[in-house]
Amino acid sequence: EVVLTQSPGTLSLSPGAKATLSCRASQKVLSVYLVWYQQKPGQAPRLLIHGTSNRAAGIPDRFSGSGSGTDFTLTIASLEPEDFAVYYCHQYGSPFPFGQGTRLEI
Amino acid sequence: QVHLVQSGPEVKKPGSSMKVSCEVSGGISNIYAINWVRQAPGRGLEWMGRFIPNGEIVNSGQKFRGRVSITADTFSNTVYMELRRLTFDDTAMYYCARVLSPKNFYFDYWGQGALITVSS
Repeated sequence: EVVLTQSPGTLSLSPGAKATLSCRASQKVLSVYLVWYQQKPGQAPRLLIHGTSNRAAGIPDRFSGSGSGTDFTLTIASLEPEDFAVYYCHQYGSPFPFGQGTRLEI
Repeated sequence: QVHLVQSGPEVKKPGSSMKVSCEVSGGISNIYAINWVRQAPGRGLEWMGRFIPNGEIVNSGQKFRGRVSITADTFSNTVYMELRRLTFDDTAMYYCARVLSPKNFYFDYWGQGALITVSS
């Protein structure tokens, strides 16, 4: 069973900065199955990136995903105020594990 | 516009059962699966199970097997998730989330969540 470990747990940055979030898998994950979600307080998660690097509809191009094998990265090129949230990586496929999340704070 | 509308918050006693609904706009016959994901207060996301309308297939996470049932009513386009023998640890927000087609390996739309509080 794949375990996803995200780092850092909390990332403190300023608007305009670049954010790099990491997701490490305990076993190889096929790139097509690696997904990123964004969750803001009091809201349901929102799909950001699927298939490692494909932005979902309506997601700004400052968000990008990369990686392969066991190491995946979500990059936010220049932080906007609305980007401060919790980000989860996820492997599509039973048992559909999620990472524990990275909190991106101002 | 796609909407997944869930039932409202509830308070349950330990040992009782809960049943959360998820109404899918556009119908459930045209989608691949509805998944259930929960989130305990201040915690991360945990997959519980899914319903695949084509064949009425139910898969559930090992942690929940024997305690969870997922069913659907195609006439009302609603998927239900029942969790039995509740404990305090089942206090959480419960989300439904859609997978549109078998070629889509992600949850593209989520319900607003249903807060279930287990309290004596």
